[in-house]
Amino acid sequence: ETGVTQTPRHLVMGMTNKKSLKCEQHLGHNAMYWYKQSAKKPLELMFVYNFKEQTENNSVPSRFSPECPNSSHLFLHLHTLQPEDSALYLCASSPPRGQSYEQYFGPGTRLTVT
Amino acid sequence: GENVEQHPSTLSVQEGDSAVIKCTYSDSASNYFPWYKQELGKRPQLIIDIRSNVGEKKDQRIAVTLNKTAKHFSLHITETQPEDSAVYFCAAKVEGGGADGLTFGKGTHLIIQP
Repeated sequence: ETGVTQTPRHLVMGMTNKKSLKCEQHLGHNAMYWYKQSAKKPLELMFVYNFKEQTENNSVPSRFSPECPNSSHLFLHLHTLQPEDSALYLCASSPPRGQSYEQYFGPGTRLTVT
Repeated sequence: GENVEQHPSTLSVQEGDSAVIKCTYSDSASNYFPWYKQELGKRPQLIIDIRSNVGEKKDQRIAVTLNKTAKHFSLHITETQPEDSAVYFCAAKVEGGGADGLTFGKGTHLIIQP
């Protein structure tokens, strides 16, 4: 275990549902990230948070809404998703700048939109 | 923004032989290049990284080379073993830049044939 946990691990939702993904780390990291991993595509960066402040939104549709209440928790709120949003959603965290640039990934949430 | 191309998408080698995976990047300001390994059903994990102030870095059977002029970097695995079978991702970023997320290549599925 790398210390980054994600819940749920699997999620099936209809296009009209609202659900949330949760990520948690207790590694003392101050940066947290959401990535989307689809088959045959690279890992796509979605959002970046530094010290609870969003520093990057990589042109993600508004049906994905991130929330970072503190440096240890990150959420991804989902609503009105499309079937093409089915993918593995990976959370990651990294230490403060100057210590290391390694990103520690969680196990991911396998999302299926029906 | 940064664009990372990775080749090949699939690589099959005999156990004991060497494997080489190549990546190119577009943003000349990128100066940090990590490689992640993702085994089936598991999270990506950092295996080696290199910064632009060095041309090569080695860690046991794994080495990475960087050519800043040509904007490409490569992962070399020698004496391959069955446990090396996985998907390998290269990535690039600008250390200290405004965006802290990584831009990943599409991944290479490395298959070690017994």
